[in-house]
Order: sequence, then structure tokens, then C-alpha cells
Amino acid sequence: DVKVTQSSRYLVKRTGEKVFLECVQDMDHENMFWYRQDPGLGLRLIYFSYDVKMKEKGDIPEGYSVSREKKERFSLILESASTNQTSMYLCASIDHTYEQYFGPGTRLTVT
Amino acid sequence: TQLLEQSPQFLSIQEGENLTVYCNSSSVFSSLQWYRQEPGEGPVLLVTVVTGGEVKKLKRLTFQFGDARKDSSLHITAAQPGDTGLYLCAGPTGGAQKLVFGQGTRLTINP
Repeated sequence: DVKVTQSSRYLVKRTGEKVFLECVQDMDHENMFWYRQDPGLGLRLIYFSYDVKMKEKGDIPEGYSVSREKKERFSLILESASTNQTSMYLCASIDHTYEQYFGPGTRLTVT
Repeated sequence: TQLLEQSPQFLSIQEGENLTVYCNSSSVFSSLQWYRQEPGEGPVLLVTVVTGGEVKKLKRLTFQFGDARKDSSLHITAAQPGDTGLYLCAGPTGGAQKLVFGQGTRLTINP
């Protein structure tokens, strides 16, 4: 059974904190993605990675960075959390048929 | 930039009724996908349509890809409470297996 796991289901952080969201996939997929999901806006791509140590900005990269040191792990970093980064964060990997496999999501609240 | 517009954004109907959800674009897509997302979970792929005019059926769900490959629809017959969820359409855009998502249709089936 294919699986994408995310380190936390719920997180509450304070403004200015550095936040790490971890994602692990067990399908040996090359490409991995981080999205944020907000009501009425759908899924918006923050960053994606097409290989170890390779990354590209998505549509809304400001305020975020990523790290991919191993193929199975893709981390999203909020350098200095702000209240407008309160959102649901979804990690995904993709197979050769373009099917995206999503993790369960991390609901992040920044106060 | 390729965009996908879904309608309606919200739909609440009674169990047993039929419904159709739409996904439209001004751009041509090589394929379109439909995902369903249940509360607290990540989206899960339901179907991929590839050929213009294609119709795919999954039990009570019927998916159609427009002849011009710019739109798709999801029709549910005799809706059940278990069909409740957020339905997202998505299509490939750019390279690196990126997808663009519609903003979603939140469907509620009342018993």
C-alpha cells in the first residue's frame, strides 16, 4: 500500500517561530510537492522537487523554503512564521501516470 | 497560465438526487483528473480522462472529458451521504509533472 506521511496532523506555532513540516513517501517517486490549501482557493503549489537536492519554486514560494536531502523525504520550512501562513499544508508525490499521492495534511495555526 | 474553474463551489442536496459538477478551462489539457478529499485527509485520485469525448464510469459516478479537451464533468447518480466531500479537478501544466487544480466543489449529501 503506497503511502505518504506527514510529521504532524496539527501544529500551533507563534509568530516569528521557525517551523519544519516533514513529508516522507515510500514509493521511490522522483517528484514531490508541497501545497497549501485554503477555502475557495484550491491547492496552490509552494515548491516542488524533481530530484535529491533539486527544487523549484511554485506559485507562492514567498516565506517558505524546502529541503530534500534524501529521495524519500521532502521538508517545508517556514523561516519566520506569520499569521497569514495559517493553512492546511499538503505534501504529495507523483508517479509516471501523473497520479499524485497525498499525505493527510498538516493543519498549521500561527498565533 | 492554465486555469481550471469549477462550478458550483458548494452543493447541498438530498440523498437519492442526481448532480453534476463542472470543470472548465480556456486551455486545452492533455488529460484531466478528478480527486475526492474527505475532511481531515488528503485528496485521493478517482479517475483520469485522457481522450476528448471520453466517458468513464465508477459505480454511480460518471466522468466525461469534453471533445475539445478544455472541460470535464462529474455526474453522480442517486447520491449517498458517503459521497460527501470536496471534489477537485486537476490537469498537467508546465513540466516536472506539475498539476494545476481547480478551487474545488464542496458536496454535501443530506440523509
